[in-house]
Amino acid sequence: GAVVSQHPSRVICKSGTSVKIECRSLDFQATTMFWYRQFPKKSLMLMATSNEGSKATYEQGVEKDKFLINHASLTLSTLTVTSAHPEDSSFYICSAAVGGSSYEQYFGPGTRLTVT
Amino acid sequence: DAKTTQPPSMDCAEGRAANLPCNHSTISGNEYVYWYRQIHSQGPQYIIHGLKNNETNEMASLIITEDRKSSTLILPHATLRDTAVYYCIVISGGYQKVTFGTGTKLQVIP
Repeated sequence: GAVVSQHPSRVICKSGTSVKIECRSLDFQATTMFWYRQFPKKSLMLMATSNEGSKATYEQGVEKDKFLINHASLTLSTLTVTSAHPEDSSFYICSAAVGGSSYEQYFGPGTRLTVT
Repeated sequence: DAKTTQPPSMDCAEGRAANLPCNHSTISGNEYVYWYRQIHSQGPQYIIHGLKNNETNEMASLIITEDRKSSTLILPHATLRDTAVYYCIVISGGYQKVTFGTGTKLQVIP
């Protein structure tokens, strides 16, 4: 099946710094990727939809200037958490859409961000 | 996208079939039923999907009622590694965003 990777798997950063998370589709091209965040014992919450070559579409309540998304190629999308604060600590997960008549979305393994 | 309702938790004995129900009474004609699961601290894993016919793959079976208002995911012989949160999601075809509900936490008991 389709494989999506994320890097890094875990990152600890200091408050005020920026962190970049990469999401790659390894064996397929993805024109659309999605970014989610998940708090402990909670469900996944969609943050934004990332389309290759165009601006990302953010969900209501998600600050686009804080969570910068770049989808520069058909196999790579990046999420940059700018000026991170402890409340940004979370599990960030990306997914990539596979083409076809029905919809299949494959998820990355997630990135655990801890802001100290 | 139609909303779904799932029980918050279920237990299943190891080796027995796990039957996970999902209600999606507002589903529309072009919406598929998808099941994903999430093992602790990992990304969600695709399990199976269907439109109106029952489906089976190497992981599970999906039974969709004739009126399509509910479905059941069946893990035929549950193992301890099947302990996870299972999400039932209804989405239309194409590059549509996925909205996750709270899912069912399945605990497989030795």
